[in-house]
Amino acid sequence: GNSVTQMEGPVTLSEEAFLTINCTYTATGYPSLFWYVQYPGEGLQLLLKATKADDKGSNKGFEATYRKETTSFHLEKGSVQVSDSAVYFCALSPASGGSYIPTFGRGTSLIVHP
Amino acid sequence: EAQVTQNPRYLITVTGKKLTVTCSQNMNHEYMSWYRQDPGLGLRQIYYSMNVEVTDKGDVPEGYKVSRKEKRNFPLILESPSPNQTSLYFCASRLAGGPYYEQYFGPGTRLTVT
Repeated sequence: GNSVTQMEGPVTLSEEAFLTINCTYTATGYPSLFWYVQYPGEGLQLLLKATKADDKGSNKGFEATYRKETTSFHLEKGSVQVSDSAVYFCALSPASGGSYIPTFGRGTSLIVHP
Repeated sequence: EAQVTQNPRYLITVTGKKLTVTCSQNMNHEYMSWYRQDPGLGLRQIYYSMNVEVTDKGDVPEGYKVSRKEKRNFPLILESPSPNQTSLYFCASRLAGGPYYEQYFGPGTRLTVT
């Protein structure tokens, strides 16, 4: 079956540090890949996505590149802010099956200190 | 404004007392889904619906029921809640036509069963 593996958290950084959150997946074919962010007390919201190999999704200074050869979709940001403190979820939607039921990773908590 | 709404946002109840959590979306999405979020376990899908009158079990359906009589509404029913159903619940919706559509999440319902 499909699966998404994210690095364990929490990830603790100082403001302006570089961020990487690793995400690898298992799925047949070419799934669509997503990063969602959950701010404290809120629901998840889409951060960025990529729908085919070598695509780069970007938003709010965050980037992730769809790497088919390594089945990865790592999230990066060059300079984090305190306001980036949140839980980040990597997810995939399979390319086949008709219902495209998404699979989520377990989430990675990011804490950014001033 | 495009949104998914859930009610109530917070609920404390006792074991065995039937309850319903409502979910409504205004985006004409075909696909709707319920998740529960527990510490260390990430998001787990309870039930999903591909369209009106079409529902199916997710990964953790035991103890829950759903119905989809209208396209915009997807209530979650706990007929006899138990303490192990204490959790944070999210409703989500998206278009159903392909894997590249992101999900839109509600703000969450925090349920405590004593």
